[in-house]
Amino acid sequence: DSGVTQTPKHLITATGQRVTLRCSPRSGDLSVYWYQQSLDQGLQFLIQYYNGEERAKGNILERFSAQQFPDLHSELNLSSLELGDSALYFCASSVGTGDQPQHFGDGTRLSIL
Amino acid sequence: GENVEQHPSTLSVQEGDSAVIKCTYSDSASNYFPWYKQELGKRPQLIIDIRSNVGEKKDQRIAVTLNKTAKHFSLHITETQPEDSAVYFCAASLGGATNKLIFGTGTLLAVQP
Repeated sequence: DSGVTQTPKHLITATGQRVTLRCSPRSGDLSVYWYQQSLDQGLQFLIQYYNGEERAKGNILERFSAQQFPDLHSELNLSSLELGDSALYFCASSVGTGDQPQHFGDGTRLSIL
Repeated sequence: GENVEQHPSTLSVQEGDSAVIKCTYSDSASNYFPWYKQELGKRPQLIIDIRSNVGEKKDQRIAVTLNKTAKHFSLHITETQPEDSAVYFCAASLGGATNKLIFGTGTLLAVQP
């Protein structure tokens, strides 16, 4: 158990819909990261938050957005879903930012029908 | 641009043999290099990491070496066991104000009993 909690574990929805994925970091961790894992793209960095503020962005689509709340949990919002958005979405957390070990949650498997 | 190449994509060894996975990164500003093990359907699990001020690091049967000049780093697993079978990912962090990880494409390691 990494201490990073992600909900839900599985999500099945249809094209055009909107979903919210939730992540609670390990106790004491201030940084939260979101990654997308698909068969053809591997593990791709989406976005990082540190203590409530956006710190770095990767190849995150405009249809996707995220935020980190004062209690440090984070949510990833995916809208206007397309078949290609089907993937595993992982959240990771670290104590701070900059050369810190990242610990991953168990992921949310998103299936778009 | 930021890129991490990983080889080989698949590796099959006999139990008790050694396994070596190699990665090359492109961004000379990278200072932190973690390795993750991912079993089927599970989260990536941090197994070892190395920072740019160190050339080698060992943890029991696992070791990582780093050549900053050549921008190469490698994972060495000795006395392999069937439970070492998994996909292994290398990554490079850009460090600084962000801890964005760029992942390699993964190596599927199969340890034959």
